[in-house]
Amino acid sequence: EIVLTQSPGTLSLSPGERATLSCRASQSVNSRSLVWYQQKPGQAPRVLIYGASIRATGIPDRISGSGSGTDFTLSISGLEPGDSAVYYCQQYGSSPLTFGGGTKVEIK
Amino acid sequence: QVQLVQSGSELKKPGASVKVSCEASGYTFNKYAMHWVRQAPGNGPEWLGWINTDTGKPRYAPGFTGRFVFSVDTSVSTAYLQISSLKPDDTGVYYCARAGHCSGAGCQGWFDPWGQGTPVTVSS
Repeated sequence: EIVLTQSPGTLSLSPGERATLSCRASQSVNSRSLVWYQQKPGQAPRVLIYGASIRATGIPDRISGSGSGTDFTLSISGLEPGDSAVYYCQQYGSSPLTFGGGTKVEIK
Repeated sequence: QVQLVQSGSELKKPGASVKVSCEASGYTFNKYAMHWVRQAPGNGPEWLGWINTDTGKPRYAPGFTGRFVFSVDTSVSTAYLQISSLKPDDTGVYYCARAGHCSGAGCQGWFDPWGQGTPVTVSS
């Protein structure tokens, strides 16, 4: 089973700043099969990025994903109050599918 | 639009069973795999497994065999999750989630969209 470790646990930034979230895998993730979700309180997760770097429909280009192998990054530039949420990575390259523990982004 | 609508919250005693439904609309139901995900209070999501909505064949993640059963009724475009012999540790929000992309080669294991979630509380 691939274990995903996300860091930092919490990120507190001001509007307009850039957030950089990390997701590290315990072993290589096949074919860049990594997805990022955003989850706001009381809501279901929403896909942001799949295939490590492909934006889902409707996701603005200030949100981007990168990485391969065991190290992946989600970047959010020009932070807005609506970006306040918990962000999860998930790998789908091998079974069982696994999620990271999440990074909470707070907007000051 | 593509939408998954789940049944309402459940309060059950230990040892009881629960059945959660997930009604799909806006797409051809049997063309996309359906996954089930659990989120315990304060925790990240945990994948339970998936069901082939065309053949009805389920696949369970390790640790979710035996008490967890996935099924579908294609006539009403609905997937079901049944959990038996409930334990307090089963408390959480249960989500159905459609595979995000499917082709002749199969479905990718990312999820879009998700249902709104069904809170299940197991308490005596």
